[in-house]
Amino acid sequence: ELKVEQNPLFLSMQEGKNYTIYCNYSTTSDRLYWYRQDPGKSLESLFVLLSNGAVKQEGRLMASLDTKARLSTLHITAAVHDLSATYFCAVSYTGNQFYFGTGTSLTVIP
Amino acid sequence: DAGVIQSPRHEVTEMGQEVTLRCKPISGHNSLFWYRQTMMRGLELLIYFNNNVPIDDSGMPEDRFSAKMPNASFSTLKIQPSEPRDSAVYFCASSLDTLRLQYLGEQYFGPGTRLTVT
Repeated sequence: ELKVEQNPLFLSMQEGKNYTIYCNYSTTSDRLYWYRQDPGKSLESLFVLLSNGAVKQEGRLMASLDTKARLSTLHITAAVHDLSATYFCAVSYTGNQFYFGTGTSLTVIP
Repeated sequence: DAGVIQSPRHEVTEMGQEVTLRCKPISGHNSLFWYRQTMMRGLELLIYFNNNVPIDDSGMPEDRFSAKMPNASFSTLKIQPSEPRDSAVYFCASSLDTLRLQYLGEQYFGPGTRLTVT
């Protein structure tokens, strides 16, 4: 069974600071996804990472994938309050099925 | 595109009643997923369909839960009888088959149905 672990589970950071969320998975996979969920809202797709060494950036968020280490990171640069949300990574395996991580609840403090 | 549509958005019912949640996937998508989200258990996959056929229902909690997909544009998740522990947000998501390599396989989530069973 594929397992996906995120850390930290909770993250409180000050505006302007940098931080990284980690996503480890247990079995070789060909695709990794990052999602964002605002409180009381649905999940919104942020990034799709398809190959080893893939890096995607959108605004203050940058995601990378190391398939050999089975690790993806979501790096936050100069955090702002609007980034407060829960971030999920998900790995696809055997086709369409996703395995989601536990989520990282990020709070950016002014 | 209207995205994934779910109804109702909120449902409050009494224990023992039947509850039916509905989902319309994005047109052209051929995979559909039902998830349940709670604070205690996080996001759980209940069942997923590919080309209207249930592929994996191992996440369905028990016989009180059933799901159908009679056609490519409609799916239901039914709970009968409902219990207070079923209270959660239920999400439906759809995607294009990743075996078609040109597609990224992202799942697009609906707004969710918040179910409260009293």
